[in-house]
Amino acid sequence: KNEVEQSPQNLTAQEGEFITINCSYSVGISALHWLQQHPGGGIVSLFMLSSGKKKHGRLIATINIQEKHSSLHITASHPRDSAVYICAVYNTDKLIFGTGTRLQVFP
Amino acid sequence: NAGVTQTPKFQVLKTGQSMTLQCAQDMNHNSMYWYRQDPGMGLRLIYYSASEGTTDKGEVPNGYNVSRLNKREFSLRLESAAPSQTSVYFCASNRQGIISDTQYFGPGTRLTVL
Repeated sequence: KNEVEQSPQNLTAQEGEFITINCSYSVGISALHWLQQHPGGGIVSLFMLSSGKKKHGRLIATINIQEKHSSLHITASHPRDSAVYICAVYNTDKLIFGTGTRLQVFP
Repeated sequence: NAGVTQTPKFQVLKTGQSMTLQCAQDMNHNSMYWYRQDPGMGLRLIYYSASEGTTDKGEVPNGYNVSRLNKREFSLRLESAAPSQTSVYFCASNRQGIISDTQYFGPGTRLTVL
């Protein structure tokens, strides 16, 4: 079993829909990182959080340390949100990555 | 600021050939990393350099060597390429090391070994 599991693996949505991507982990962590990988391959950091909730524009990330779970929400989704979203956890001295959730948003 | 740059963007090698992937950052970051990304798997750490003058193995170091040339540059060398090293390679950097700080990624190098 992977130490970081993301669900779903693939997600399609219509423009305007509310999107939720989940990340569960089985190790102790000091922080969790959400990243976005564009169709061209570039990787961009979205959030780093260790508790509670963070919001940036239409993106919201939450984390529940007790339940070892984080969610990434996208409100009013848009085709430009189409990308792979990657969850990564900081465990002692290393970063462990999930395999990503591929999101496609159609007009 | 260019951020993190990588060269080349694409490369095709024959088995047994050698090559060096270059990475540079202009953000005055202390720590730099090399990852590989394979289909169906998360990014995996090959080597990292916590600070200028130090390098350490990551999760999958076999078949690779690294050099932290100075604070800006961190290169990854394949001495004798194998088909199993076909992958997309990402360089990343941050201020203070893996714990506690956001990593900034380069655009990636797509390597194919025939």
